[in-house]
Amino acid sequence: ETGVTQTPRHLVMGMTNKKSLKCEQHLGHNAMYWYKQSAKKPLELMFVYNFKEQTENNSVPSRFSPECPNSSHLFLHLHTLQPEDSALYLCASSGGIDTQYFGPGTRLTVL
Amino acid sequence: QKEVEQNSGPLSVPEGAIASLNCTYSDRGSQSFFWYRQYSGKSPELIMFIYSNGDKEDGRFTAQLNKASQYVSLLIRDSQPSDSATYLCAVHNAGNMLTFGGGTRLMVKP
Repeated sequence: ETGVTQTPRHLVMGMTNKKSLKCEQHLGHNAMYWYKQSAKKPLELMFVYNFKEQTENNSVPSRFSPECPNSSHLFLHLHTLQPEDSALYLCASSGGIDTQYFGPGTRLTVL
Repeated sequence: QKEVEQNSGPLSVPEGAIASLNCTYSDRGSQSFFWYRQYSGKSPELIMFIYSNGDKEDGRFTAQLNKASQYVSLLIRDSQPSDSATYLCAVHNAGNMLTFGGGTRLMVKP
């Protein structure tokens, strides 16, 4: 399998549920990212990991908790989300400092 | 606040025409510039990147950069209906981070 993969592709959850999004990159990259894309809004960077270390947390609420066990895997743990958190969650990776490649995204709906 | 601005569109062009997509950015120290294409319901797909002033061509796509004017554009020649998508401009400022514009929706009409 090549590129950046994300699971699940679609997720519906209640506000009291706990779920996790998974991202895996097969490109040998050292940096991974979580973005949120809401309707009619620009891509919002959430978290950046470099060599498994978090280097950026863009003022994201604590109900979103990232985890990066190694350079190929990235998780986003979700708990007590709000309906306004419904969005497309995109994972990306990069080998250098700039060019980023995106996964297919997880479409999240919070009821 | 580092900003990247794009006209949201929609930009409508007839099939076979040249589509011109524009982007301005606020950080004069920006070094790398990217164009992504995003089809509805899909994730962004990298089309081109440009680092130096001037033009860079790749098939039907040409990226143009003018750092003095803080302006980057994407030209699509011989536009096809399959080019209909939202085009995102992204600018590399510092560290690993890209700042994205809001995107321009392009519609190519047969």
